[in-house]
Amino acid sequence: GAVVSQHPSWVICKSGTSVKIECRSLDFQATTMFWYRQFPKQSLMLMATSNEGSKATYEQGVEKDKFLINHASLTLSTLTVTSAHPEDSSFYICSAAPGYSGNTIYFGEGSWLTVV
Amino acid sequence: TQLLEQSPQFLSIQEGENLTVYCNSSSVFSSLQWYRQEPGEGPVLLVTVVTGGEVKKLKRLTFQFGDARKDSSLHITAAQPGDTGLYLCAGAQGFQKLVFGTGTRLLVSP
Repeated sequence: GAVVSQHPSWVICKSGTSVKIECRSLDFQATTMFWYRQFPKQSLMLMATSNEGSKATYEQGVEKDKFLINHASLTLSTLTVTSAHPEDSSFYICSAAPGYSGNTIYFGEGSWLTVV
Repeated sequence: TQLLEQSPQFLSIQEGENLTVYCNSSSVFSSLQWYRQEPGEGPVLLVTVVTGGEVKKLKRLTFQFGDARKDSSLHITAAQPGDTGLYLCAGAQGFQKLVFGTGTRLLVSP
């Protein structure tokens, strides 16, 4: 079946630095991918819609200059957390779906970010 | 703003008991999905319901979509420890875009 992979699975970075998380669709092309954030013991909150070849669409309250999204190819979207702070520590998950899948959406394994 | 409210937020039961999780919204969704998520992993799709009033069964799990397509329920019969996890409903807003519910954390003890 369709697979979406994220890298890295976990990352620790120092406060003030930037960190990049990749989301890849391994066996299908995705013009649209989605990025979610999940704090411990909470649900997934949609951050932004990543659009191949164009600017991402951010949800209300999400800082676009802090969470940079690049969807440079049909199989790769990246989320860069800039000037990370401890409050950015969270589980970040992406999703994507092939155009033929109807309602089937595939999620990545998630990436744990810890900012120290 | 969370558009989908789930209840209960947390449920701790003994093996063999039955339970129902509710997912309610004031918005209408073209479809609604239920996921289960294990700690440190991405959510895994359990079912998609599309038609108002639709009922789907997946072994011991029964899913229902409200007639007005604003709410849904998940019923588990004879729960097992392997059912432990975070259950999430998610409403579809347009193509592929999901809004997740607040989540229900289920713990089934042997």
